[in-house]
Amino acid sequence: GQQVMQIPQYQHVQEGEDFTTYCNSSTTLSNIQWYKQRPGGHPVFLIQLVKSGEVKKQKRLTFQFGEAKKNSSLHITATQTTDVGTYFCAGPGYALNFGKGTSLLVTP
Amino acid sequence: KAGVTQTPRYLIKTRGQQVTLSCSPISGHRSVSWYQQTPGQGLQFLFEYFSETQRNKGNFPGRFSGRQFSNSRSEMNVSTLELGDSALYLCASSSGQVDNEQFFGPGTRLTVL
Repeated sequence: GQQVMQIPQYQHVQEGEDFTTYCNSSTTLSNIQWYKQRPGGHPVFLIQLVKSGEVKKQKRLTFQFGEAKKNSSLHITATQTTDVGTYFCAGPGYALNFGKGTSLLVTP
Repeated sequence: KAGVTQTPRYLIKTRGQQVTLSCSPISGHRSVSWYQQTPGQGLQFLFEYFSETQRNKGNFPGRFSGRQFSNSRSEMNVSTLELGDSALYLCASSSGQVDNEQFFGPGTRLTVL
């Protein structure tokens, strides 16, 4: 499978600050998926990016796929306490190859 | 549609024992994948079953095995449990096409003493 690396591993922000997590691969990815796992919960699908340079928005969340399709990012504008959780990117395949995730902590 | 269900939700075993976990996918989904999640290690892929056949396998020892039944329900078995097997075991179902979105169950929390 196509391995993906995620940074940072942890991020602690004050409510209202922005947050970005990055996902990198050494090989070109046909697509990338993003999932969110709330504390005590299970991963939930957020989005899939397929096209080079693609940018998709979901309210305060902005997802980008790099031009070379080797990296991706998730940016949250003006974080809220409801954004707390671990965000995973996943490389393609019948069985997805997940990064180790970025755990986001938001303090009010 | 009902979501993915996993049983049991919590399990405590001792070293050397074996355990069987169960996963019922979303109706109509033919693919079930199993993941092990431990703190700091993210989601590590165990194996994937599609139409009763193991289609993909991760890098886990042979103590970890699985199967899938004709109704797509899947079981995972771990024999000769070790302390390091303590983890959250998640199953995910999908239609089985490549790169499909995966729907996760709530997981089984296994503690090995």
